[in-house]
Amino acid sequence: GDSVTQMEGPVTLSEEAFLTINCTYTATGYPSLFWYVQYPGEGLQLLLKATKADDKGSNKGFEATYRKETTSFHLEKGSVQVSDSAVYFCGLDSSYKLIFGSGTRLLVRP
Amino acid sequence: DADVTQTPRNRITKTGKRIMLECSQTKGHDRMYWYRQDPGLGLRLIYYSFDVKDINKGEISDGYSVSRQAQAKFSLSLESAIPNQTALYFCATSEGNSNQPQHFGDGTRLSIL
Repeated sequence: GDSVTQMEGPVTLSEEAFLTINCTYTATGYPSLFWYVQYPGEGLQLLLKATKADDKGSNKGFEATYRKETTSFHLEKGSVQVSDSAVYFCGLDSSYKLIFGSGTRLLVRP
Repeated sequence: DADVTQTPRNRITKTGKRIMLECSQTKGHDRMYWYRQDPGLGLRLIYYSFDVKDINKGEISDGYSVSRQAQAKFSLSLESAIPNQTALYFCATSEGNSNQPQHFGDGTRLSIL
């Protein structure tokens, strides 16, 4: 069945460092791909999405490109801030429901 | 006001008790979902509903039941709670077509002693 694999955390970075969180997927067809973010004590919020191959989703300085050839949707940000500390979930739309990865915790130190 | 509201936010109860978690939404979405979140496992789908008359099991429905009382309300019940149902529970909604993002409530932290 469809699945999502993302790198384990925690990922610890200093402020202004470059961020990459890897995400790969297994799916039949070409699902939409998403990144969600969960801040402490809150539910998940949509961060960005891409609906077809080579699409780039972007929001708040974060980017991810839908790579069909490598079945990947890696999350990147050029310069992280302390306020980016959260748990990040990669997900894919499997016909009628979302399938999530296990989440990656990001800690950004001043 | 939040678009997706879950009550209660926190609950501690004992093994064997019946528990109901409630979710209401003001987004006008047809689709509603219940997930549980456990450390290291991400979110797993318990039940989902595409409209008031449509209820479907997710990947981990055993030990849970749901009721879709109206388009805006979707409740999750644990008929006889057990400790391994201790988790963070999330309700979510989405529009009634594919490829749409889901909108989450802030979660209910449930502890079963």
